[in-house]
Amino acid sequence: AQTVTQSQPEMSVQEAETVTLSCTYDTSESDYYLFWYKQPPSRQMILVIRQEAYKQQNATENRFSVNFQKAAKSFSLKISDSQLGDAAMYFCAYRISSGTYKYIFGTGTRLKVLA
Amino acid sequence: DAGVTQSPTHLIKTRGQQVTLRCSPKSGHDTVSWYQQALGQGPQFIFQYYEEEERQRGNFPDRFSGHQFPNYSSELNVNALLLGDSALYLCASSLFRAGSHGYTFGSGTRLTVV
Repeated sequence: AQTVTQSQPEMSVQEAETVTLSCTYDTSESDYYLFWYKQPPSRQMILVIRQEAYKQQNATENRFSVNFQKAAKSFSLKISDSQLGDAAMYFCAYRISSGTYKYIFGTGTRLKVLA
Repeated sequence: DAGVTQSPTHLIKTRGQQVTLRCSPKSGHDTVSWYQQALGQGPQFIFQYYEEEERQRGNFPDRFSGHQFPNYSSELNVNALLLGDSALYLCASSLFRAGSHGYTFGSGTRLTVV
């Protein structure tokens, strides 16, 4: 079964510091996509970053970057220079490249940013 | 550019009743997916609609049904509501041919069943 595990229910970071959120997944597929979504109190899920499994280079979007370890099935999110607006629930998600349309989400990590 | 619009934002229903949730996708998107997010959990896939047809269904009973209209908007219907159906229902839109690029989500409908 394809599963996504986020083992950190909650994390805290000081403003302007760096924090890393962990995600592992289980799959027998070789071609898939991985995502990090942010869900602030407004409830709207916002795409933070996307990684294609066939690409070895880690994706980067401004202050957000990932550490994608395909063999270890690990996909962590690093947030640099944390800002108060980064406080939210963060969900890791997975989708195989073909044969299905659904995304599989983890249970989320609540990130608190301390001023 | 309007994003994904969901209505209503909140809803309270009694066990056994039926409910209809509505979603308008982002302009230019042709595919709508519905997810159920229970409290403290990640979203769970209910089904996806494209070209007015259900393309894939998650592990949800037949009490959950949907529809997509020619303008790409969609409805989620839940019959014979149970207390366990209380959740945030998220609508996500995308382009069918670019479904792996990520969704655009709405802000959800909070359904409470009493």
